[in-house]
Amino acid sequence: DQQVKQNSPSLSVQEGRISILNCDYTNSMFDYFLWYKKYPAEGPTFLISISSIKDKNEDGRFTVFLNKSAKHLSLHIVPSQPGDSAVYFCAASNSGAGSYQLTFGKGTKLSVIP
Amino acid sequence: KAGVTQTPRYLIKTRGQQVTLSCSPISGHRSVSWYQQTPGQGLQFLFEYFSETQRNKGNFPGRFSGRQFSNSRSEMNVSTLELGDSALYLCASSLEFSNIQYFGAGTRLSVL
Repeated sequence: DQQVKQNSPSLSVQEGRISILNCDYTNSMFDYFLWYKKYPAEGPTFLISISSIKDKNEDGRFTVFLNKSAKHLSLHIVPSQPGDSAVYFCAASNSGAGSYQLTFGKGTKLSVIP
Repeated sequence: KAGVTQTPRYLIKTRGQQVTLSCSPISGHRSVSWYQQTPGQGLQFLFEYFSETQRNKGNFPGRFSGRQFSNSRSEMNVSTLELGDSALYLCASSLEFSNIQYFGAGTRLSVL
């Protein structure tokens, strides 16, 4: 049973346009959400996160939106750059469980076309 | 500050053997978690250690085990290797009470 789902395996976007990556979760106990970027042959790199008490967090070109009622979050990248081409993973944790285990989606491969 | 270091980067073993992977966390990070990444299953949680104690364990067989030392360095061991254990094994470290984990480059294990 997948608790974190990224329904789009891939996404292509023109350079300079907005990239929107989506993520859905089923476990209502998740209270912290993260996005990671992964290049081939490297480990995931932390990008941005959001606590469940917020609905938006911004860091430069990256913004994460959280809709708790819909159990949905999205990552917006504006403007998209060729160097953003990578696999993006959505992850969630339940801090109240006394552990910081991350549950990951299966990733979305973003291709930014010059 | 040095990142999370995993050794070795690549490993080839045969079925039935055992393997030990090593992870050195970011200095000051006392929590270490391990994940397995495969094409079919994605990133799956193996276990988490904090102050030399296993704090949480994922849904993996007992052939997968780990430990953490007093300097926060961690090792994971897989015994009686199976073909299906071929995967990228990732280690991540974090500060106490932090949800943000920082990953190493991983160890690519191939079981023949």
